[in-house]
Amino acid sequence: DAGITQSPRHKVTETGTPVTLRCHQTENHRYMYWYRQDPGHGLRLIHYSYGVKDTDKGEVSDGYSVSRSKTEDFLLTLESATSSQTSVYFCAITGDFGGREQYFGPGTRLTVT
Amino acid sequence: QQQVKQSPQSLIVQKGGISIINCAYENTAFDYFPWYQQFPGKGPALLIAIRPDVSEKKEGRFTISFNKSAKQFSLHIMDSQPGDSATYFCAASVNYGGSQGNLIFGKGTKLSVKP
Repeated sequence: DAGITQSPRHKVTETGTPVTLRCHQTENHRYMYWYRQDPGHGLRLIHYSYGVKDTDKGEVSDGYSVSRSKTEDFLLTLESATSSQTSVYFCAITGDFGGREQYFGPGTRLTVT
Repeated sequence: QQQVKQSPQSLIVQKGGISIINCAYENTAFDYFPWYQQFPGKGPALLIAIRPDVSEKKEGRFTISFNKSAKQFSLHIMDSQPGDSATYFCAASVNYGGSQGNLIFGKGTKLSVKP
């Protein structure tokens, strides 16, 4: 999984609670991404980061926030989880120097009850 | 215009056969087209990628065919094996003057290869 870890790997939480997912990379790559994967929708981009403290929104960013205080860590926060945010969340990285390849982590399965 | 349309949704192929998955796009600015393979419980893994200056790229049993005028690209898996059973995603992105373009994914094709 290209030096990417995600934690936790599984989480069950209740509606209305805050949740933070962590993505950690050992590759020192500049770009990091958060996706969600749902049946019938493929992978959809939530937020991405192009450097420390530099982030931007993706296709499905409502209800999510992100932070990147160090190159190696990219955090995804659900401020108040809803059942519609039950999904599998993947982090991805890509390198500098014009590299376009994105490499994905193992995923976090989140269930909001 | 940012969509990538993938077909079929599911595909059953006999061992040794050829698996073909197709993708179509509208945005002519797309300039990078990767394919990902995903096994259950795992993250997507980059399989093979192509840029629009070539019409075909082959890596082992996997080939991407690219038709720029038709705005279509496809993945061919030759001599399909049961171990190829997975979900496959096509994707596309634009390079905005050196900054990383975000990947737009198709909705996936679940391939089952029967022994």
